[in-house]
Amino acid sequence: DVKVTQSSRYLVKRTGEKVFLECVQDMDHENMFWYRQDPGLGLRLIYFSYDVKMKEKGDIPEGYSVSREKKERFSLILESASTNQTSMYLCASSLWELGRSSYNEQFFGPGTRLTVL
Amino acid sequence: AQRVTQPEKLLSVFKGAPVELKCNYSYSGSPELFWYVQYSRQRLQLLLRHISRESIKGFTADLNKGETSFHLKKPFAQEEDSAMYYCARAGGYQKVTFGTGTKLQVIP
Repeated sequence: DVKVTQSSRYLVKRTGEKVFLECVQDMDHENMFWYRQDPGLGLRLIYFSYDVKMKEKGDIPEGYSVSREKKERFSLILESASTNQTSMYLCASSLWELGRSSYNEQFFGPGTRLTVL
Repeated sequence: AQRVTQPEKLLSVFKGAPVELKCNYSYSGSPELFWYVQYSRQRLQLLLRHISRESIKGFTADLNKGETSFHLKKPFAQEEDSAMYYCARAGGYQKVTFGTGTKLQVIP
């Protein structure tokens, strides 16, 4: 059973703080993703990683950075939190298979609801 | 940029009525499309994908390239179908672009 865990379910931070959101998956997946989920806007991709130390910007990377030092762990960093970063953050992972022409299912974590005051 | 459009934010139907959740995508070659679902207090999870051509929990979705649509359908809605539904399409590097979501509310 694929398990994606996120370090916190709820987090409250102050404007200007540096915030770390951690995500761990236990299925040896190559791909990992960070999304934010907002009502009316759906899921928007912030960053993704297809291998250790590799990262690619998603659709809304501004104000965020990521770190992937180990295959199972993908961290999202808010360098200086702002109120417009109040949101639900979802982590996901998926398998990458060489030669596979179709896309693999993404498995999601439970989410971290971040409030920036 | 690839786009996925879900025109309805909320769809309310009575139990036993047919359901159709609309999804349109921007045209680009041969898309790979999915429906994900999030039940209350549960994780987002894959419901079905078009290449599988399967029916999951009574739901089906047919890819219509002419209309660039991938609508999700079920002939008889059940209360347990109430959830948030996201249409999504694959992009490069195993990326997926999600729509804005439709909340399905099944009225008893």
